[in-house]
Amino acid sequence: DAGVIQSPRHEVTEMGQEVTLRCKPISGHDYLFWYRQTMMRGLELLIYFNNNVPIDDSGMPEDRFSAKMPNASFSTLKIQPSEPRDSAVYFCASTRGTGGHSGNTIYFGEGSWLTVV
Amino acid sequence: KQEVTQIPAALSVPEGENLVLNCSFTDSAIYNLQWFRQDPGKGLTSLLLIQSSQREQTSGRLNASLDKSSGRSTLYIAASQPGDSATYLCALRGNTGNQFYFGTGTSLTVIP
Repeated sequence: DAGVIQSPRHEVTEMGQEVTLRCKPISGHDYLFWYRQTMMRGLELLIYFNNNVPIDDSGMPEDRFSAKMPNASFSTLKIQPSEPRDSAVYFCASTRGTGGHSGNTIYFGEGSWLTVV
Repeated sequence: KQEVTQIPAALSVPEGENLVLNCSFTDSAIYNLQWFRQDPGKGLTSLLLIQSSQREQTSGRLNASLDKSSGRSTLYIAASQPGDSATYLCALRGNTGNQFYFGTGTSLTVIP
């Protein structure tokens, strides 16, 4: 498998613009996570899905952020309108559920590096 | 709520030295614990995973231990090399859900 694939890898956008980040999880994984990483706050969980259904979105900072998972192989994280404080690295990760599986390593994508100016 | 702490935040060692990175957690009800490596500008790469029922895992020069009773895990790196320079994070998977709790990481520099 190619691993978790994220796009774009880098994005620079102006304040107020809409940003859409994309993720393709590893095939067969039923959990998908969106994280944000900054120097100040480290890794923060934004939202996670199980079988395409959002389970916990309590980490989504505000209404400007939204996430969808229309099918098992694709998810998006959207910021509208974007602000400079949204500048961070956004990671997507996937794993299998704990039931009946050993290991259950969580795999991360390479991240989407967002700069809002 | 699970709290995960990694101390120190940064560590510099001369090449060849053996070293230990620490990870402490407050809730022993975990499903597994993972150690990750993150290079600058990159994502997180899994190094070792220890299931809740296990005490340690080894991969090459790396050895990770888990002591749930004391809420601690260590990552031992033998004969460190400059290529080991990176940030190392530990993460716990909770028993009650599918939450992963990450430490803030230890930034390791191995000096040639």
